[in-house]
Parts: sequence; structure tokens; C-alpha cells
Amino acid sequence: NAGVMQNPRHLVRRRGQEARLRCSPMKGHSHVYWYRQLPEEGLKFMVYLQKENIIDESGMPKERFSAEFPKEGPSILRIQQVVRGDSAAYFCASSPRQTGGLGETQYFGPGTRLLVL
Amino acid sequence: SQQGEEDPQALSIQEGENATMNCSYKTSINNLQWYRQNSGRGLVHLILIRSNEREKHSGRLRVTLDTSKKSSSLLITASRAADTASYFCATGLRNTDKLIFGTGTRLQVFP
Repeated sequence: NAGVMQNPRHLVRRRGQEARLRCSPMKGHSHVYWYRQLPEEGLKFMVYLQKENIIDESGMPKERFSAEFPKEGPSILRIQQVVRGDSAAYFCASSPRQTGGLGETQYFGPGTRLLVL
Repeated sequence: SQQGEEDPQALSIQEGENATMNCSYKTSINNLQWYRQNSGRGLVHLILIRSNEREKHSGRLRVTLDTSKKSSSLLITASRAADTASYFCATGLRNTDKLIFGTGTRLQVFP
């Protein structure tokens, strides 16, 4: 059973370009979470999705950032018109069901390291 | 605001010694989890303790939770050089599924 897959592992973009980060959850997991980690900091929650639905996007910047988790295929985190401050590691996690209420573990992918030049 | 604050920020010890890391949080939680992150890598789940539990063990790991003080500690006994990593606490809140992470403790174990 493969773990959470993320690609690309490293992504370099120039200011103003778009960045698309992909996350394939573990088999059987229908809940996906995206987190961002700045250098020397902890992870900060961005968005929580179930298949075809955004459940909680309270941590997402209001502009330029969007996320989706289609019925088929991976979850996508999209950053439009990237700026240098977007440089960070972006981690995806998945779980088979809700976690906060039941205390289930979230399984993390290896992350995508985005560098904006 | 940041839910979890960890102490110390960095810790250096010799192999064989015990390492203790502390985590404090601000609001009521459903559970608290500890994760490990090696440099440049993803997070590995270590242990989960629920709000109605006080102590939990897993191998060389011992976690305590004091909900009255809103704090938790992670003890790694008989540390090894391979334990060198950053350790994060993360709180699972009621009525939400996101995890709130602390700032992390960077542990270095010297052989």
C-alpha cells in the first residue's frame, strides 16, 4: 500500500508564474489536507478537502490560492502569480475519515518544495 | 494564533541520554499528536494521545498529557544518533479536522 504521493518534489518558478502541486492520497483515503511549512517553522493548515468538496479552507490565502480534489485523480493545490513569499514546503496529508472528532492519524506525503525566484 | 508552542526550541544530547520535549497549547483539544521530521523530509506520525488519557507509551517514547495545564511532554529514552530530527506536537481540536502544529523542537543526538 503506497503512502501519500506528492509531485513534483521540487518546483522552481519565477515571480508571476503559476505553481501546481499534486497529491495522491493513500489508497482508500477520501480526506486530504494541505499544510505549508516556512523555513524553521511548524506546519500551518491551509485547506481540508473530501472528494469534490472543500470542507475547511480557513487557512488558505484569499487570493491566488485554490485547491481541488476531483472525483478522479489527485488533489491539486494551485498558486497563481507566485511571489517570493510563497517559497515554502507544501505538505499533503490524507486520512480515511474525519480526524478531529475521532482522533485518527493523518498520513503525510514527502512534500513539494517550492522556490520562487 | 499558534496553538502549540514547544520548548526547548533546540536540544543537544549525547547518545544514551534521555530527551524531553514539551508542548503547550491554548484551547480545548480532542487529541494531541507528536510527529517527527527529518531534515528536508515529510512528517512521520509517532504517537497520538486522546484528551481523556494521561500517559501513553510506544517503544522508547513516552507521552504525557495534562489538560489542566494544557501541556504535553514527549520523552525519548536511551536516545540514538538516528533520533536526530525535528519533533512537532499537533493538536486535534473539537469539531474540526485540521491539525494545529507547534513550532517544533530540533533534537541533535551526538554519538
